[in-house]
Amino acid sequence: AQKVTQAQTEISVVEKEDVTLDCVYETRDTTYYLFWYKQPPSGELVFLIRRNSFDEQNEISGRYSWNFQKSTSSFNFTITASQVVDSAVYFCALKTSYDKVIFGPGTSLSVIP
Amino acid sequence: SQTIHQWPATLVQPVGSPLSLECTVEGTSNPNLYWYRQAAGRGLQLLFYSVGIGQISSEVPQNLSASRPQDRQFILSSKKLLLSDSGFYLCAWSGLAGKTYNEQFFGPGTRLTVL
Repeated sequence: AQKVTQAQTEISVVEKEDVTLDCVYETRDTTYYLFWYKQPPSGELVFLIRRNSFDEQNEISGRYSWNFQKSTSSFNFTITASQVVDSAVYFCALKTSYDKVIFGPGTSLSVIP
Repeated sequence: SQTIHQWPATLVQPVGSPLSLECTVEGTSNPNLYWYRQAAGRGLQLLFYSVGIGQISSEVPQNLSASRPQDRQFILSSKKLLLSDSGFYLCAWSGLAGKTYNEQFFGPGTRLTVL
């Protein structure tokens, strides 16, 4: 069975702090894809990144970075020097051989000025 | 570039009334289309998905239905709304934008309140 766990329901940080959002996934498939989405208060889900199971290279995009570790089935997301605009719900998601994406429950991040 | 539209943005309907939510995608062809519902403060629930015109797969049995009359149009309907149908409805598509059918791109959503 496929599953995505985001153990952190809510996180609150002060602006400029670094914050890491955890994501643990379960699948028996050898080919799969992992995603992160951001849902700001407006509601629309914004696609942030896709990583496939054959590429364990970490990725950095500005203040965002992602750490993919197959050994621990984790795909964590770090925001460096957080800003108020980073306040949102963040979803980790998994897609395997079936054409459905399984979303985690989300982590609500509040960045306090 | 590809864009996805949903309307209406917000809707307040009485219990027992019908529902029709529309989603259209521009700038791509043969997309996979999806309807999700998000209850307040909760995660995403996949309701329906479609891989082509007239092809609908239902994930959750309920009083909702979906149709795909055209390649880039996806409609969510109900004959009689229930209180439990309240929520935030999101349409999504996946296709060849990124040379992959893997990531989904979401519309702005429709916030439905059933009273």
